[in-house]
Amino acid sequence: AQSVTQLGSHVSVSEGALVLLRCNYSSSVPPYLFWYVQYPNQGLQLLLKYTSAATLVKGINGFEAEFKKSETSFHLTKPSAHMSDAAEYFCAVSLSNFGNEKLTFGTGTRLTIIP
Amino acid sequence: DTEVTQTPKHLVMGMTNKKSLKCEQHMGHRAMYWYKQKAKKPPELMFVYSYEKLSINESVPSRFSPECPNSSLLNLHLHALQPEDSALYLCASSQESADRVYGYTFGSGTRLTVV
Repeated sequence: AQSVTQLGSHVSVSEGALVLLRCNYSSSVPPYLFWYVQYPNQGLQLLLKYTSAATLVKGINGFEAEFKKSETSFHLTKPSAHMSDAAEYFCAVSLSNFGNEKLTFGTGTRLTIIP
Repeated sequence: DTEVTQTPKHLVMGMTNKKSLKCEQHMGHRAMYWYKQKAKKPPELMFVYSYEKLSINESVPSRFSPECPNSSLLNLHLHALQPEDSALYLCASSQESADRVYGYTFGSGTRLTVV
């Protein structure tokens, strides 16, 4: 079965500092991996996705993630944190089965930005 | 139009009430989903519709009844709910393909409170 594990339920960084949110996956086949962001009382917004094209994936709002097969990781980074980045971040893995995507989420990481 | 629209945004209902949640998209997506999200938890899949037919039911209690009247509309009918069913209900849609994975577009959700 495919799954993702997010290390650290809470991460705090200073404004302007590097953001690093960790995600490790488990999959017997090449995975499709995603990062979503959720602001309070809102739905989820897709930040970026890995679908086996390039290992370094650039997303919206200055975020990027690198797929590392040897480490089974897909960590999310941003060089300089902004106050507006404060939100819940979910890593997710998708299994495409006969055309149906079934998205399974990690437990989430709450990012707090310190002024 | 690149949005998934959910109505109502907030709903308070008694345990004997019958209510419905509505989800609409006009992106031509042929797969639609219902997720349930409890506070401080990741979304959990409830139902998947593919080409207007129910393809996945994640063992959801029968007091939740999904319906897909057409390719743009997804409903979730609620009856005899329990207080523990209070949650954020998220609708999502995706393109459907056997060889590619696109990720989901989420609505902003309906915040349901059962009293």
